[in-house]
Order: sequence, then C-alpha cells, then structure tokens
Amino acid sequence: GQQLNQSPQSMFIQEGEDVSMNCTSSSIFNTWLWYKQDPGEGPVLLIALYKAGELTSNGRLTAQFGITRKDSFLNISASIPSDVGIYFCAGVEGGSNYKLTFGKGTLLTVNP
Amino acid sequence: GAVVSQHPSRVICKSGTSVKIECRSLDFQATTMFWYRQFPKQSLMLMATSNEGSKATYEQGVEKDKFLINHASLTLSTLTVTSAHPEDSSFYICSAGPALGVGYEQFFGPGTRLTVL
Repeated sequence: GQQLNQSPQSMFIQEGEDVSMNCTSSSIFNTWLWYKQDPGEGPVLLIALYKAGELTSNGRLTAQFGITRKDSFLNISASIPSDVGIYFCAGVEGGSNYKLTFGKGTLLTVNP
Repeated sequence: GAVVSQHPSRVICKSGTSVKIECRSLDFQATTMFWYRQFPKQSLMLMATSNEGSKATYEQGVEKDKFLINHASLTLSTLTVTSAHPEDSSFYICSAGPALGVGYEQFFGPGTRLTVL
C-alpha cells in the first residue's frame, strides 16, 4: 500500500532552536495533515494543507504542501520544552474514503 | 470544537472476555469514523473504516469477527474486541472526520489502553 517516508526519525535539540521535519510520498495526496502525539494520548491535529504550494502557520508552527503534491514539511520555530512529542505527517488520497496514510513519526526531544 | 471522546481510557481484562470501546464525536457529525491500533514506539495502524449504517471496511489482516464495529449514528461508533487474548493488548485510538461537508480533517480520540491478562 501507500507509504510515507518521514524524516528524521528523532531529533534532540536545545530549547530555543528551530526544527524542521518532512514527509515524502511516491504518489500524490490531495491533503496533508500534521499531528502531534503526546505519550499515552491520541494525536492532535496541528495543521491541515489542501493546496499544492500552500504555506500555513499555526503559532510557531509552519507547514507547506509541496508543489508536486508528494511532499510536505513542518517547521517549529523557537522550540520550548512542551514541544516534546511525536510528530506525524498524514496524507489523504483522493477517493480513498478519507483514509489517512501515516508517516512513521518524528520523535522530538527538547533539552531545557 | 472538533472534540472526540473515547471510553474507557484504560481497561484490564482476563483472557477470553470481550471488551467494548466507545468513540463519540462531541460537537460535530462525522462522515466516517476510523479505528486504529498503535504498538509502543510505532505509528498508527488502521484497522477499519466505519460509516454510519453500513458495514465496516476492514484492513487486510484484521479479523472482522474478532474486532466487531458498530456505527450507530454520525456521532457514535463502538469497537468490541471479542475473546480478547494477551496479544490484543495495545493502544486503540479512534478518529472521526471529516465533519459533514467540511474538508478532510480527522480528529482523534484520546485512546484506550487495553491490557489482557
């Protein structure tokens, strides 16, 4: 089935640093979604992207939908300790009954 | 808005018993609800897709007779793990979405930790 390649798998950064992670796919998605999951919790939606080339911000988070519709990145600026968690990208294919295909996640650790 | 609840949050049961997990969209009506399973340090694995009033569509390798899904309304879906065994222990998460007529966003519940002894 469809797979997303998400990188990096993990990141260890200092508080205040900026972070970037990305996802690529072998096929086209109509929508890209970025989620954050804290331990023992369900994923929380951060940003939704609907148009190729779209750049969307949510506070310190910025995400872009690649022009080719096969990739997306998420940037976090000025990281803080509560940014710790696992970040997942997810793509929605056209005509897929809204099924999500998830990346394997990026584990972010922020050192105070 | 877009809140999804799950109940219970944790359940411990003996092998051979059945466990029911509820998923509700509290402030919106969802086109579809989804059930996922997540093992430690892994991504979410889709188990089944559920639409109100119709049979769920199960992913390959997921036993439909073991994981019974009922989708009673646009705001409620239930997953019953029948005759649970220790290998069924996992973190089960539901999602709902998109909201009727609105985009493609899915909203997740807080998850249910199932431990089968």
